[in-house]
Amino acid sequence: EDQVTQSPEALRLQEGESSSLNCSYTVSGLRGLFWYRQDPGKGPEFLFTLYSAGEEKEKERLKATLTKKESFLHITAPKPEDSATYLCAVFTGTASKLTFGTGTRLQVTL
Amino acid sequence: GAVVSQHPSWVICKSGTSVKIECRSLDFQATTMFWYRQFPKQSLMLMATSNEGSKATYEQGVEKDKFLINHASLTLSTLTVTSAHPEDSSFYICSAPDRGTNTEAFFGQGTRLTVV
Repeated sequence: EDQVTQSPEALRLQEGESSSLNCSYTVSGLRGLFWYRQDPGKGPEFLFTLYSAGEEKEKERLKATLTKKESFLHITAPKPEDSATYLCAVFTGTASKLTFGTGTRLQVTL
Repeated sequence: GAVVSQHPSWVICKSGTSVKIECRSLDFQATTMFWYRQFPKQSLMLMATSNEGSKATYEQGVEKDKFLINHASLTLSTLTVTSAHPEDSSFYICSAPDRGTNTEAFFGQGTRLTVV
């Protein structure tokens, strides 16, 4: 069974304090790893898709990387508006559906 | 960009009544849509895959007769929670894939259902 584990469960940063969120996975036949941002009471907002180990993608202050066992979401010089829950999900050929982690709740304070 | 619109954003209903949630793709056609359920501080759990013009595919453990899914057109899928009970209270979210990449890029705003 596909498993996705995100850590930490919650993270509090000061504005400008860079950090990384982790998503480790145990799957058979990874076809894609997805990162989403979810604000309270809202649906997830798509950020990145990574397909193979070594791949990296960037968007503003966010950078996602992928290895054969895990993915990192690096946040550089975060701002309060980056506060949200960040979700990781994997798509495998076996399951043919997304399996989500429980997310990391990020709070960025002034 | 493409948008998925979900309605209502929240609903309160009495036990035993039914509630319908709509999910629309606003500027693209979606032959497939997905319905998720999310409990506080938990993962999104896939409930079913909605297929235009055919029956929905339900995940193991999801009651087909309780969660009725209809995908009557290429832009509309509906989820009806029948004979709702307090334990059905949850956050329900729909999504549609980007057909170019087959990525579930587009999620609705979600519907907060409270059954009293």
